[in-house]
Amino acid sequence: QIVLTQSPAIMSASLGEEITLTCSASSSVSYMHWYQQKSGTSPKLLIYSTSNLASGVPSRFSGSGSGTFYSLTISSVEAEDAADYYCHQWSSYPTFGGGTKLEIK
Amino acid sequence: EVQLVESGGGLVKPGGSLKLSCAASGFAFSSYDMSWVRQTPEKRLEWVAYISSGGGSTYYPDTVKGRFTISRDNAKNTLYLQMSSLKSEDTAMYYCARHYNWEFTDYWGQGTSVTVSS
Repeated sequence: QIVLTQSPAIMSASLGEEITLTCSASSSVSYMHWYQQKSGTSPKLLIYSTSNLASGVPSRFSGSGSGTFYSLTISSVEAEDAADYYCHQWSSYPTFGGGTKLEIK
Repeated sequence: EVQLVESGGGLVKPGGSLKLSCAASGFAFSSYDMSWVRQTPEKRLEWVAYISSGGGSTYYPDTVKGRFTISRDNAKNTLYLQMSSLKSEDTAMYYCARHYNWEFTDYWGQGTSVTVSS
């Protein structure tokens, strides 16, 4: 199965900062999807098929990548973005990355 | 509004069984493939079962194959997960999730907690 490695494990960002979270796949995948999970809630779809924003997701979020390397960028971090972020692929057997915890300074 | 409400979790001894339910509303349940995904106490996410919209196709990872059975009742808008021969490593929050297409899920329920311990 394809292993997804996310980095960093923990990111601390200031309000208004631009940040990039990355997801590396052990083999090439067709698409990457991203979920956001805030404390005490279930995962919420953030970006699908590498670069498409899910319904209601602010435009400060964007996704890109191909093959084995994908990224999620927040152009200007807001306090409400504090959460865990998971990448996910289903090109073959579905797997999730280990997550990146975003903390706001 | 899409709603998925899981129930049936609890504390069970190793080797025991449990049946989870997921009540769906706010969308045409019978038109959507569904999955169960679990999140361990260490926050690792793991897909555990998939079922097609009509129920004719099901898939499982090797970790649960032969022990877990996914099913659905489209007349009742309800998804199920029958779990047997439970192990401590099955301890997790279990979420039902609706598929947007084969490749990803777009809505998740709030989860139901399963603890396997003696």
